[in-house]
Amino acid sequence: GENVEQHPSTLSVQEGDSAVIKCTYSDSASNYFPWYKQELGKRPQLIIDIRSNVGEKKDQRIAVTLNKTAKHFSLHITETQPEDSAVYFCAAQYNAGNMLTFGGGTRLMVKP
Amino acid sequence: KAGVTQTPRYLIKTRGQQVTLSCSPISGHRSVSWYQQTPGQGLQFLFEYFSETQRNKGNFPGRFSGRQFSNSRSEMNVSTLELGDSALYLCASSLATGGTEAFFGQGTRLTVV
Repeated sequence: GENVEQHPSTLSVQEGDSAVIKCTYSDSASNYFPWYKQELGKRPQLIIDIRSNVGEKKDQRIAVTLNKTAKHFSLHITETQPEDSAVYFCAAQYNAGNMLTFGGGTRLMVKP
Repeated sequence: KAGVTQTPRYLIKTRGQQVTLSCSPISGHRSVSWYQQTPGQGLQFLFEYFSETQRNKGNFPGRFSGRQFSNSRSEMNVSTLELGDSALYLCASSLATGGTEAFFGQGTRLTVV
């Protein structure tokens, strides 16, 4: 089955700096890669996703890049703000259904 | 548009008991997936139901089971509860096909004592 590894597990940045979270996946058949943000006590919410036929996608301060050859994808957050503090999960989907395999999560702390 | 609704929000059960959790997906969504979230293991996939059929299954023992009804609502059941089953159980609803956003419910916090 699919395996997704995520690094780092914790990340502390100063407000205004950039943050980068990296994930690798094992199954080359994976074709959909979402990123979820989970604030304390709340449900995971999709912040951005990318499909295997696209190399990069951007949405305001958030971008995701995908390298299919190396089987890794990354989340980039620019101009971080305290409200970006949360746990971020990457995930990969490799079959016809909606099963997601999640990375272990990254706790991002943005210091004012 | 109403979101994904899970009931109950909190449960306390004793070892050996069984429990049933419920999930109502977003209207029009036919796929419901269940995940277990724990501090140590993260988010782990349990199973996915689509059109009342189990479409995918994760690596959990047979004590964990689920079903989906004709209105797409889903239930999951855990029998013979163990202390290690204490977790946040999240369900997610999606449109029929893969590659689309999974919308999560707020979860059911299960504590086994």
